[in-house]
Amino acid sequence: DTEVTQTPKHLVMGMTNKKSLKCEQHMGHRAMYWYKQKAKKPPELMFVYSYEKLSINESVPSRFSPECPNSSLLNLHLHALQPEDSALYLCASSQGLGAGGSEQFFGPGTRLTVL
Amino acid sequence: KNEVEQSPQNLTAQEGEFITINCSYSVGISALHWLQQHPGGGIVSLFMLSSGKKKHGRLIATINIQEKHSSLHITASHPRDSAVYICAVLNTGNQFYFGTGTSLTVIP
Repeated sequence: DTEVTQTPKHLVMGMTNKKSLKCEQHMGHRAMYWYKQKAKKPPELMFVYSYEKLSINESVPSRFSPECPNSSLLNLHLHALQPEDSALYLCASSQGLGAGGSEQFFGPGTRLTVL
Repeated sequence: KNEVEQSPQNLTAQEGEFITINCSYSVGISALHWLQQHPGGGIVSLFMLSSGKKKHGRLIATINIQEKHSSLHITASHPRDSAVYICAVLNTGNQFYFGTGTSLTVIP
């Protein structure tokens, strides 16, 4: 299985809602990533987990809360989002951090719209 | 200034043409990646390079570490190659930096 899956594909939420994005991989990868991508822009790194521990947090607002319950799963909990948070949220995984394991496999993304 | 610069930003080619996309970076790197993103969002990793040259089908990627420069070549381009091509580098501190992407359109 060389796939990264993300659910849901699309999500529409109000500013007072609480929702979660889910990402799963079964390739035995030990590094997992959340990216945010606005239209016609490259992905922006949000969080990196390595061996289920948060390794990098790119100064992301606290209304985004990541969670890595096990080595195959990565969640992104959303609360009190703003309309400007509407974007494509991409999950990726790699064997590990560092050059040797850095090839990333991306999921199809969740298209989030905040009303 | 971005750590990773790509050129051109946009590229239109006739089917069959040879295409080159360039990437220059300013940080010390441990690896450079070329990614492809089709409309609709999915990103595919095309190459990971730390030296030399790699070839996969009609795609060739080269890197010159001394000049901090990489190129992605597409031979015999086809409309299905139309996508955004993104260069990304992993620096020696395990941080990823992405280029702004090159939007390629191949016309039949």
